Amino acid sequence: KAGVTQTPRYLIKTRGQQVTLSCSPISGHRSVSWYQQTPGQGLQFLFEYFSETQRNKGNFPGRFSGRQFSNSRSEMNVSTLELGDSALYLCASSLRTGGKDGYTFGSGTRLTVV
Amino acid sequence: AQKVTQAQTEISVVEKEDVTLDCVYETRDTTYYLFWYKQPPSGELVFLIRRNSFDEQNEISGRYSWNFQKSTSSFNFTITASQVVDSAVYFCALSEQGRDDKIIFGKGTRLHILP
Repeated sequence: KAGVTQTPRYLIKTRGQQVTLSCSPISGHRSVSWYQQTPGQGLQFLFEYFSETQRNKGNFPGRFSGRQFSNSRSEMNVSTLELGDSALYLCASSLRTGGKDGYTFGSGTRLTVV
Repeated sequence: AQKVTQAQTEISVVEKEDVTLDCVYETRDTTYYLFWYKQPPSGELVFLIRRNSFDEQNEISGRYSWNFQKSTSSFNFTITASQVVDSAVYFCALSEQGRDDKIIFGKGTRLHILP
């Protein structure tokens, strides 16, 4: 079966712009979680969506938002980009909430803010 | 609060040597899950194993083995007869039951297997 698909793979944006990243989970998975990965902070939890509802949110400013559609596809949006938002953004899908059965990760979107 | 510590930032071993990656966790819950993930140079994290807090049996899968000890809050990962393809960053992670429903990852251990 198809894995987790994230688009785009790479993005270069300018400070102040906004960006939308997309994630299509494994068929049948209703939970989608987003993580930010940077060399300094490692993997940090952004939020989780399950059945179109945000279930949990990490300690990120309100500039980071997300949503989930009825087909379980999810998008995350970052507004007013800052240089520090440069990171690898990873999407993970799972059957159960909180990734308790183990996540399947996408390849990530590498965002560079200049 | 939950916490995962991987004290080894980077390890280098020669191919065919055994190597153990350490993981120490903190949690107040009695029910929790522990994981190991591998991130090869391609970047995609790969799920390796999940353990729940009630199952302290060690597990072996081919050259990989995991040692879970609640008494020391550790969940260590050993690769036997390492191969160059094992070179990757390995993450230990923790998920608590209920309340704070998310997986917390350690900072990772970068493993170099030298030919």
